[in-house]
Amino acid sequence: DSGVTQTPKHLITATGQRVTLRCSPRSGDLSVYWYQQSLDQGLQFLIQYYNGEERAKGNILERFSAQQFPDLHSELNLSSLELGDSALYFCASSPWGAETDTQYFGPGTRLTVL
Amino acid sequence: GESVGLHLPTLSVQEGDNSIINCAYSNSASDYFIWYKQESGKGPQFIIDIRSNMDKRQGQRVTVLLNKTVKHLSLQIAATQPGDSAVYFCAENSGGSNYKLTFGKGTLLTVNP
Repeated sequence: DSGVTQTPKHLITATGQRVTLRCSPRSGDLSVYWYQQSLDQGLQFLIQYYNGEERAKGNILERFSAQQFPDLHSELNLSSLELGDSALYFCASSPWGAETDTQYFGPGTRLTVL
Repeated sequence: GESVGLHLPTLSVQEGDNSIINCAYSNSASDYFIWYKQESGKGPQFIIDIRSNMDKRQGQRVTVLLNKTVKHLSLQIAATQPGDSAVYFCAENSGGSNYKLTFGKGTLLTVNP
């Protein structure tokens, strides 16, 4: 158990819908990262937050957005969902968001778009 | 550009043997590398890391070797056990203001009893 929690574990929805994925980082970690894992693309970095502020952006679509709240939990919002958005979404956390921080991953949310 | 790749997509070994999983990276600016293990239905689990100022780092039953000359990273698992069966990813962090990890495609390690 990494100490990072994610809810829900599974999510099934229809195209065009909007969903919110939630993540609680390890106790004391200030930085949260979101990743998407699909069979054809592997693990892809989406976005990073540090202490409530966006720090780095990766391959995140405009239909996707995220935020980190004062209690440091984070939410990833996915809208206008398409079939291709079906994937595993992982949250990771690290203490300082520094380049040599180890990132600890949560168990993931499996999103299925029908 | 930044990319991390794996030489072997699958590796099958006998229980008790040593395993070697390889990874190539292309970004010479990368200064931090991590190996993760991902079991079916779970998130990636940190195994071991190494900074670019090191060539070798050892953990419990695992050793990571870094060859910056040829941009190659390897993970050695000693006395491989069935519980080691998983997908192994190498990841690099190119540092600077870029905090993201770039992951390789992964190698599936299967340990036969």
